[in-house]
Amino acid sequence: GAVVSQHPSWVICKSGTSVKIECRSLDFQATTMFWYRQFPKQSLMLMATSNEGSKATYEQGVEKDKFLINHASLTLSTLTVTSAHPEDSSFYICSAREDLVLNSPLHFGNGTRLTVT
Amino acid sequence: GENVEQHPSTLSVQEGDSAVIKCTYSDSASNYFPWYKQELGKGPQLIIDIRSNVGEKKDQRIAVTLNKTAKHFSLHITETQPEDSAVYFCAARRLNFGNEKLTFGTGTRLTIIP
Repeated sequence: GAVVSQHPSWVICKSGTSVKIECRSLDFQATTMFWYRQFPKQSLMLMATSNEGSKATYEQGVEKDKFLINHASLTLSTLTVTSAHPEDSSFYICSAREDLVLNSPLHFGNGTRLTVT
Repeated sequence: GENVEQHPSTLSVQEGDSAVIKCTYSDSASNYFPWYKQELGKGPQLIIDIRSNVGEKKDQRIAVTLNKTAKHFSLHITETQPEDSAVYFCAARRLNFGNEKLTFGTGTRLTIIP
């Protein structure tokens, strides 16, 4: 089946530093990937849509300069949390659809737990 | 935009009994309704989905029903087992509209009591 790999699974960083999270589609091509944020005991909130070869589309209220997204290939999207602060601590999850499957379902990675101290 | 409501937020069920989780959606143009299971510390996993051209779909112990007129859909888990304990999310989306985003419900924490 379609597998989305996310790395790292957890990261602890100091306030003011930047953290990069990778999202890979292991056995399929994904022109579009999605980045979600999830607070404890809450639902998934879409942050941005990542498009291979073009700029990401951010949801309202999400700072594009703080959450940098790069989608340089058909199998890799990265999310960089810049100048991280404790309030950025959260569970970040990426997902992807298969390009070659009509109406492909959304496949999710296992998430990255970010803790900013 | 789409708004998905989900109930209940928590549900405890005796092992072997059935569990039902209900969702309503607001956008009548939504035509794809997946259900995801999320275990602690992991990403959501698709367990079943239904499209608006059918009213019911079943996969072993899991079934989903859809009422387009009332704009609600439900997840049914029969013969529940301890490994069914997790958070379940419903979602809605319009297919064939490019990359129309998936809107999630608020989640249901299901606990199976041995």
